[in-house]
Amino acid sequence: GAVVSQHPSRVICKSGTSVKIECRSLDFQATTMFWYRQFPKQSLMLMATSNEGSKATYEQGVEKDKFLINHASLTLSTLTVTSAHPEDSSFYICSARGLGGDYGYTFGSGTRLTVV
Amino acid sequence: QKEVEQNSGPLSVPEGAIASLNCTYSDRGSQSFFWYRQYSGKSPELIMFIYSNGDKEDGRFTAQLNKASQYVSLLIRDSQPSDSATYLCAVPYQAGTALIFGKGTTLSVSS
Repeated sequence: GAVVSQHPSRVICKSGTSVKIECRSLDFQATTMFWYRQFPKQSLMLMATSNEGSKATYEQGVEKDKFLINHASLTLSTLTVTSAHPEDSSFYICSARGLGGDYGYTFGSGTRLTVV
Repeated sequence: QKEVEQNSGPLSVPEGAIASLNCTYSDRGSQSFFWYRQYSGKSPELIMFIYSNGDKEDGRFTAQLNKASQYVSLLIRDSQPSDSATYLCAVPYQAGTALIFGKGTTLSVSS
């Protein structure tokens, strides 16, 4: 089945630094990748949608200059949290979609970001 | 703006009972519906999805759609303590686009 690898699983960084999260589709070509954020006791909130080779589309209220998304290949998308602050601490999850059908939503294992 | 609503629970059932989880959706034109299970600190895992043309059964899980009332249900038969988790309902913004998630229902199965 489709597998999406997300790294790192946990990261602690100092306030003001940047953190990069990678999301790789291992056995299929991910034409579209979605990035979600989940705060404790809350549901997944879509941050942005990225299509390979084009700029990401950000949801309202998500700062595109703070959350940089790159989808340079059909198997890799990255999310960089720039100048991280404690309020950016959250669980970040990517989802990749390949070709054909709604069953193509495969989720990564998530990244727990803690900014201190 | 599409919305997905779920009762946050917790829903408590004894082991072996049937757990019934519901989800309402705002867009009458929604064509596909997803149920995910999420354990604490983990990423969601797909339980099943259905299209607007019918219900679906997979093992102990059954997803049922009521288009007239715009809700979709997930029934878990013979509930096990390992089923204790948060269950998320989701629909795509549009076909092939990102999933919109409800807030999830927490299920607790007691042994």
